[in-house]
Formats: sequence, C-alpha cells, structure tokens
Amino acid sequence: KAGVTQTPRYLIKTRGQQVTLSCSPISGHRSVSWYQQTPGQGLQFLFEYFSETQRNKGNFPGRFSGRQFSNSRSEMNVSTLELGDSALYLCASSVMGQSNEKLFFGSGTQLSVL
Amino acid sequence: AQSVTQLDSQVPVFEEAPVELRCNYSSSVSVYLFWYVQYPNQGLQLLLKYLSGSTLVKGINGFEAEFNKSQTSFHLRKPSVHISDTAEYFCAVSKGGSYIPTFGRGTSLIVHP
Repeated sequence: KAGVTQTPRYLIKTRGQQVTLSCSPISGHRSVSWYQQTPGQGLQFLFEYFSETQRNKGNFPGRFSGRQFSNSRSEMNVSTLELGDSALYLCASSVMGQSNEKLFFGSGTQLSVL
Repeated sequence: AQSVTQLDSQVPVFEEAPVELRCNYSSSVSVYLFWYVQYPNQGLQLLLKYLSGSTLVKGINGFEAEFNKSQTSFHLRKPSVHISDTAEYFCAVSKGGSYIPTFGRGTSLIVHP
C-alpha cells in the first residue's frame, strides 16, 4: 500500500500570498488531519476531516482552512501569508479517526515565507 | 484538556548505552498514550502505544515504554542504542471520545559513536 503523500515537498512564498497544500491519505483511510511543526512550538493541531466534514479544529486563525474530497484527499489553504507561517506542515491519516488509532504521517511540506 | 510534557529537549548518549526519554501527561480521564519517532526530513512514525492492559509496552526497533498511572508518566526506554536511533521522539496523548491527540514538544536523541 502506498503511504501518505504530500505535495509539494518544498514551497517558497512571499508575505501576503496564499498557498494550497495537498495530502493523499492511505487507501481506505477516511480521516485526515493536519499539523504545523515548528522548532519553537512543536506539533500543533490544525484540523481534522472525516468523510468530507471538518470534525475537529485547533486554535489557528481563519486564514488557515481546509477541505476534504469524496476520495478522502485533502487540501489545506493558508491565505495572506505571514512570516510566522513558515513551518513544516504534516498531514496524517487513519481509518476512522478514533482516538486509539495509529496515525500515518506524510513527509510534510516545508513552507518558507519570505 | 490533556497536556504532555517531555522533560528533556535533547538527550545525548553514546552508542550501545541505555537511554530513557521522559514523558509526563496530565488528564482527568483515562487516556491513550503514544510514542512517535521522526527521522530527518521524514514524517512521524509510530514506535508503540498504550491503550489498556499490561503497563509495559514493547514497540519496534527494541524500544519499550512503561505506563505509570500514579505518576502520570509514560517513559520510553531502550537498553542499547545505535547510531541509527538518532532522531526526534514525540510523546502523544489522546482520550476516549476525543480524536485530537496532544503532542509533546519532542526530545532530540543524539547518539554519538
């Protein structure tokens, strides 16, 4: 089985631009969650989607949004980029998104905002 | 809400020495506990998890962890480390009924030859 695939791997943007990141979960996984990883803050939860519905949301401003398609693929969008948005964005999938399930992570998208 | 504290941001150790990475959590309800490892330029992968039952959990690559409810700890151990164990290790906790896992800030394990 193919693992979780995130594209692109690297991205460089300037302040004020917007960006869209993509995540393809493992086949059969219906839950997709997104995390922001920075050296200072560690892993912070952004949101989780299950069957095309946002089920959980972290404490991030409305500039961060996402969606999930009927094939479980997910996209994350960040509008009006700020320097502080520079981070590694990780996507994880699981079968049902239950709290006792193992998460499968992609390799991430490294976003640099200049 | 639950929280996770990884007491050491960095742990240097020599090859073949034992290592313990510490993790404490706080939660008012029963929890599920996880350890994940992140190698350079990769995503996280699960090392082991505690859901219920035996408090000593064995994982991949020779790692094990012990759940201690009275001390609210879930420390990760390995009796003899290899250079290839150099990585970032994350402890995570989640509770039943709530999907959102909370991650610690990570411990960087650095294995020296």
